Amino acid sequence: NAGVTQTPKFQVLKTGQSMTLQCAQDMNHEYMSWYRQDPGMGLRLIHYSVGAGITDQGEVPNGYNVSRSTTEDFPLRLLSAAPSQTSVYFCASSYSRTGAGGYTFGSGTRLTVV
Amino acid sequence: GEDVEQSLFLSVREGDSSVINCTYTDSSSTYLYWYKQEPGAGLQLLTYIFSNMDMKQDQRLTVLLNKKDKHLSLRIADTQTGDSAIYFCAWLRGTYKYIFGTGTRLKVLA
Repeated sequence: NAGVTQTPKFQVLKTGQSMTLQCAQDMNHEYMSWYRQDPGMGLRLIHYSVGAGITDQGEVPNGYNVSRSTTEDFPLRLLSAAPSQTSVYFCASSYSRTGAGGYTFGSGTRLTVV
Repeated sequence: GEDVEQSLFLSVREGDSSVINCTYTDSSSTYLYWYKQEPGAGLQLLTYIFSNMDMKQDQRLTVLLNKKDKHLSLRIADTQTGDSAIYFCAWLRGTYKYIFGTGTRLKVLA
């Protein structure tokens, strides 16, 4: 089925480790983004991309890197994991940055940093 | 979420109507959205409204927008147990930044 695929679904890291959260979409959407969801804080934008080769920071970018080498993939890298990065991470895509279609979300990656 | 207020919890009986409210501060968005999140899943777009509209109805869902008071609401008619979830309001700030509310957890009692 078409949609946004995130892997892994669950991950436990030790403080200081690095890892990459994968995100892929098969809808030919130009716009992709990463959010983190924390209790009582809604979703906060980490990084976003408006097309292959173009990325920019959201409101909470520190400690994360992204790249967009293809339209389909938008991986999120944690450089040196910290307990404050324990969260649920969602990747989302949209055919239009201002369109009524809104976002299509992946099912999330639950990350715990110990 | 910044600049948004949503009540945290709402409990209703099956068959009753549910009203979920959202108060925001930014009046510049063209579109305002409602998303639903079921346990262990991502957010699913339910419906949206253009900022120049006051009301939109979509089957059991009614969205009301009061631009003067900066108040958005989602009414679910004939609420079912399958409607139990977290509901987020959201809108586009500027060019690329979507702002999400903190979410309202709806519990439907059988």
